[in-house]
Amino acid sequence: NAGVTQTPKFRILKIGQSMTLQCTQDMNHNYMYWYRQDPGMGLKLIYYSVGAGITDKGEVPNGYNVSRSTTEDFPLRLELAAPSQTSVYFCASSYSASGSHEQYFGPGTRLTVT
Amino acid sequence: EDQVTQSPEALRLQEGESSSLNCSYTVSGLRGLFWYRQDPGKGPEFLFTLYSAGEEKEKERLKATLTKKESFLHITAPKPEDSATYLCAVQAPTGNQFYFGTGTSLTVIP
Repeated sequence: NAGVTQTPKFRILKIGQSMTLQCTQDMNHNYMYWYRQDPGMGLKLIYYSVGAGITDKGEVPNGYNVSRSTTEDFPLRLELAAPSQTSVYFCASSYSASGSHEQYFGPGTRLTVT
Repeated sequence: EDQVTQSPEALRLQEGESSSLNCSYTVSGLRGLFWYRQDPGKGPEFLFTLYSAGEEKEKERLKATLTKKESFLHITAPKPEDSATYLCAVQAPTGNQFYFGTGTSLTVIP
């Protein structure tokens, strides 16, 4: 199992550009999450999904959009990138039926908006 | 309002010198408390889940404990390979929101 994979690893965007961060998991997990991690700050939940076709906002959703058409994929869309979106983005997944929400994280995407 | 506070921010230990990391939380109706390890440039790696006050879990040199308002991660006789940032997270009563602390950066000196 590859676990949770994210692409790209690094990206530089200009202000106003758009991009999609890709996330795929091969563990058949029903829950998936997107977090951002800024220096000196804890991980902040952007969006999450409890299954294909179902998504909901987390703590910091503004400026982002998500979709979940399959169990495996959970892309994060940035529209009109702003410097405040410079961060490291982590995708994670978990399996709720086990009773535990231990999350498995991808390696992250480091995004710089200039 | 911070939901999760971790202390200290950074900790330097000599190899073999045991210590504890603290995670205090203000979420009421806790569904679960999680500990993760994060190495530089990588995603967090799951360590433990605790659900109720009094619960303890162990893995090698690490032991996590939980009270009604805080959790401790005890590190016994640490080795240099234990150097990492340790993150604490709580699961909100709704079940789908998770709040992370800012972490404790642990350095173990040979």
